[in-house]
Amino acid sequence: KAGVTQTPRYLIKTRGQQVTLSCSPISGHRSVSWYQQTPGQGLQFLFEYFSETQRNKGNFPGRFSGRQFSNSRSEMNVSTLELGDSALYLCASSVGTSGPSGEQYFGPGTRLTVT
Amino acid sequence: ILNVEQSPQSLHVQEGDSTNFTCSFPSSNFYALHWYRWETAKSPEALFVMTLNGDEKKKGRISATLNTKEGYSYLYIKGSQPEDSATYLCARGGADGLTFGKGTHLIIQP
Repeated sequence: KAGVTQTPRYLIKTRGQQVTLSCSPISGHRSVSWYQQTPGQGLQFLFEYFSETQRNKGNFPGRFSGRQFSNSRSEMNVSTLELGDSALYLCASSVGTSGPSGEQYFGPGTRLTVT
Repeated sequence: ILNVEQSPQSLHVQEGDSTNFTCSFPSSNFYALHWYRWETAKSPEALFVMTLNGDEKKKGRISATLNTKEGYSYLYIKGSQPEDSATYLCARGGADGLTFGKGTHLIIQP
């Protein structure tokens, strides 16, 4: 069974631009969660989508948004990029029916650099 | 406890020695406690998910315990091997999703 895939793997953007990251979950998984990791910080939860609906949201500004498609693939968008948005963005998929008790399978991440 | 806290932040252990580290978390609105291993240049990999007070789980030389009443979990590694070198993350699952600690960075010295 193929794992979680994320595209692109690396990205360089300029302040003020916007960016869209993509995540394809494991086949059969209906939940996709997004996390941000910056130096010195743990994984910060951005949001979770389950069956095309946002089920949970972390404490991030409205510049961070996401969506999920009917095939469970998910995209994350960051508008008006700031230098502090430079980070590793990880997505994780799970079956979804166990909510916060479900084991998460992580993708390789997208490394975003904002200059 | 308001956040998920892990200690120690880093740990150097001799090959063959056993070790353990701690995850403390808010016990209110608790759903589950997750442990992940994150090796350099790889993705975090799930080790355990525990939900019940007193849960104990084991996978090979690694085991974990859970105390939901006092809000802590221990991860044990028996007979450490170089391949155990990684960052070990715990995460509390609650109604608001998963909250991760900053991890314990484990280095096994030959």
